[in-house]
Amino acid sequence: GGIITQTPKFLIGQEGQKLTLKCQQNFNHDTMYWYRQDSGKGLRLIYYSITENDLQKGDLSEGYDASREKKSSFSLTVTSAQKNEMAVFLCASTPGQGSYEQYFGPGTRLTVL
Amino acid sequence: GDSVIQMQGQVTLSENDFLFINCTYSTTGYPTLFWYVQYSGEGPQLLLQVTTANNKGSSRGFEATYDKGTTSFHLQKTSVQEIDSAVYYCAMTSSGSWQLIFGSGTQLTVMP
Repeated sequence: GGIITQTPKFLIGQEGQKLTLKCQQNFNHDTMYWYRQDSGKGLRLIYYSITENDLQKGDLSEGYDASREKKSSFSLTVTSAQKNEMAVFLCASTPGQGSYEQYFGPGTRLTVL
Repeated sequence: GDSVIQMQGQVTLSENDFLFINCTYSTTGYPTLFWYVQYSGEGPQLLLQVTTANNKGSSRGFEATYDKGTTSFHLQKTSVQEIDSAVYYCAMTSSGSWQLIFGSGTQLTVMP
């Protein structure tokens, strides 16, 4: 078994502030993802990474940066926080090699004041 | 482009009622289809998945059939319980990538 850890659980920032969310997984999975979850809109992909140092943009990448420094960790930066992007941010990973099942972390809830 | 449609945003039932959550998809090729469940305060977790058209997946009393003809993957359960209250997401693989395409989710509330 394994686990995905997301820090912090709650993140409060000021409008225009740069904020960083962190994700760690101990599954030894190749591929990792960042999603934004807005009520009634499902999960929308921000960035994903197929392997260490790889980055792929999702449909919602505008206003975000990501970094995959090592296989086990994947960070997401909100470059300039806006009130309309208050949401839950979910990190996920998948083993790859023919398996598409994604394993999710518990999420980081972002509040922008 | 690829898409997954869940028309029901909210479903409210009583214990022991029959559950039916609608899901249709649009893509080329033969995707793998999933149902994820998200309990309050947690991340989504896999409920069931089906890789082959016309096959059925089942887990914890839930079942869904991959219907290639109607491009549907509806979720059913004969008798829901209060502990089944959660958000349910239908999802599919996106051809040629490692992405999953998720529906907008259905909030199920089961009253005691």
